[in-house]
Amino acid sequence: AQSVTQLDSHVSVSEGTPVLLRCNYSSSYSPSLFWYVQHPNKGLQLLLKYTSAATLVKGINGFEAEFKKSETSFHLTKPSAHMSDAAEYFCVVSDPSGTYKYIFGTGTRLKVLA
Amino acid sequence: SAVISQKPSRDICQRGTSLTIQCQVDSQVTMMFWYRQQPGQSLTLIATANQGSEATYESGFVIDKFPISRPNLTFSTLTVSNMSPEDSSIYLCSAPVAGWNEQFFGPGTRLTVL
Repeated sequence: AQSVTQLDSHVSVSEGTPVLLRCNYSSSYSPSLFWYVQHPNKGLQLLLKYTSAATLVKGINGFEAEFKKSETSFHLTKPSAHMSDAAEYFCVVSDPSGTYKYIFGTGTRLKVLA
Repeated sequence: SAVISQKPSRDICQRGTSLTIQCQVDSQVTMMFWYRQQPGQSLTLIATANQGSEATYESGFVIDKFPISRPNLTFSTLTVSNMSPEDSSIYLCSAPVAGWNEQFFGPGTRLTVL
């Protein structure tokens, strides 16, 4: 069975400082992993995805994530937070066996302080 | 990629009534998924809808409460039946598109039950 754990329900950073949102996964297979962002009253937007190619994945808006199999982690980072980054972030693991099912983490709410 | 639309975008309904949500994809897809996002929560998969067969429901969701139709490869509906205030949520549909190792999401339907 697959699962994903987002270690922080809330993260606060100051504008211009680095962002780290933590995600650990459990999977019997080599997983596909995703980060989505949801701004208030907006739909889901894909930030980046890992699908067994390069372990360091670059996404939109300066975000990146590194797949670390030994640590079963897929943490999301950004060097410098912007006010517009304030949103809910979801780490997702996908069943690679062909069902395409997503399992969502519980989410991390990022707050950016001026 | 794919563009997915949903109707209605939001609705306010009375307890005991039913609401049907429509999901349209701009390309043919084999699988479609329906999710529920309760207030302040993450997304939970309700069911998988394949064209030509009955939907497959996840644990905790039943066909009598959430009947799903999938008449063709670009369209699906989800009905929320005999609604109660606990059904107040955002309902999202999604689909994986051939050649893309990810799901594309609709904008969601925000349902409030009074």
